[in-house]
Amino acid sequence: DAGITQSPRHKVTETGTPVTLRCHQTENHRYMYWYRQDPGHGLRLIHYSYGVKDTDKGEVSDGYSVSRSKTEDFLLTLESATSSQTSVYFCAIGLGVENEQFFGPGTRLTVL
Amino acid sequence: QKEVEQNSGPLSVPEGAIASLNCTYSDRGSQSFFWYRQYSGKSPELIMSIYSNGDKEDGRFTAQLNKASQYVSLLIRDSQPSDSATYLCAVLGSSGSARQLTFGSGTQLTVLP
Repeated sequence: DAGITQSPRHKVTETGTPVTLRCHQTENHRYMYWYRQDPGHGLRLIHYSYGVKDTDKGEVSDGYSVSRSKTEDFLLTLESATSSQTSVYFCAIGLGVENEQFFGPGTRLTVL
Repeated sequence: QKEVEQNSGPLSVPEGAIASLNCTYSDRGSQSFFWYRQYSGKSPELIMSIYSNGDKEDGRFTAQLNKASQYVSLLIRDSQPSDSATYLCAVLGSSGSARQLTFGSGTQLTVLP
């Protein structure tokens, strides 16, 4: 798992509540990513980071924000969760010039 | 919109056979290609990377790349029931999205004992 942990691993919340997912890595990698995975859509990039306080949007960023105040932590926030954000969320790190990506164990989020 | 298409599954092969998984991509400038294996309920696991035209072999796995045809494939020889999983093709973007991977929707492989 390349030293990547995600918390929580499972969460059930209600529509309209804020939710923050945490990705933690232990090896000071520069690039970190948040994806969501849904049946029929595969893995889609939400946001990524290329350093502390340096982030950019991915394909499906609407409704999500991120922060990276320390190299080891990359936070994904749903400001006001909606049922369409029910998904499995994966964090990944990118290594090397070719950006080989390695994934954390995932967080299963259910928004009721 | 950069696209990565995989052959629709599910794909079933008998144990010991060769499984062939295919992927096409739309970004002609892409230079790096990856295959991930994902077991049900688990996270994707990188199993092959390929950057040059031709074949790359790693144990029972062979990745094939043809940039002119914008095609990448994965062959699994002597398939085992433990190979049953969903296989994801991923392509690294070029230019402005050079650090972003685009994934196909995956091909589910079942190896029958």
